[in-house]
Amino acid sequence: EDQVTQSPEALRLQEGESSSLNCSYTVSGLRGLFWYRQDPGKGPEFLFTLYSAGEEKEKERLKATLTKKESFLHITAPKPEDSATYLCAVRSNTGKLIFGQGTTLQVKP
Amino acid sequence: GAGVSQSPSNKVTEKGKDVELRCDPISGHTALYWYRQSLGQGLEFLIYFQGNSAPDKSGLPSDRFSAERTGGSVSTLTIQRTQQEDSAVYLCASTHPRGLAGDNEQFFGPGTRLTVL
Repeated sequence: EDQVTQSPEALRLQEGESSSLNCSYTVSGLRGLFWYRQDPGKGPEFLFTLYSAGEEKEKERLKATLTKKESFLHITAPKPEDSATYLCAVRSNTGKLIFGQGTTLQVKP
Repeated sequence: GAGVSQSPSNKVTEKGKDVELRCDPISGHTALYWYRQSLGQGLEFLIYFQGNSAPDKSGLPSDRFSAERTGGSVSTLTIQRTQQEDSAVYLCASTHPRGLAGDNEQFFGPGTRLTVL
């Protein structure tokens, strides 16, 4: 069964304190792993797509990496405006996106 | 340009009533998805439309749920005889045939928050 598990469920950081969010997955025929950011009361906002193990993508303070079993979202020197829920999803060979439950990040000044 | 829009933004209804939720995808996007997000839960896939193909309804939780997409654009999600467990945020997303970020990047609307009393 296709499955996505994110950890931790919640993460509190001080401004400038770097950390990583984990997304573990099992999927039949990975056709992409997606990271989204979701602010309260809004729909998810696309961040990255990764397709193959070893691939990395960066955007400002965020860097996403991918292995055959998991993906990490590294946050370097976070700021309070990085506070949000980060969602991971995988697309299997059925074409559908399967989402994890998300990691809620709070960055305190 | 305009993103995905959904209406209403909030809907409060009584148990047993029918509700209709609307999604306007980004112009030119051929694929449209509906998801449900319950409090503390991840996004749950409901239904997927791709062009003129038959929709993938495999995520609909019961026969009280249905959706249609008229003219390959606007979609309506209908929930009949609503139950309290239907309370959730209903999100719509659309996809360009060839997204800038690669295959199937999904653009989400702001969602409709449904509360069934």
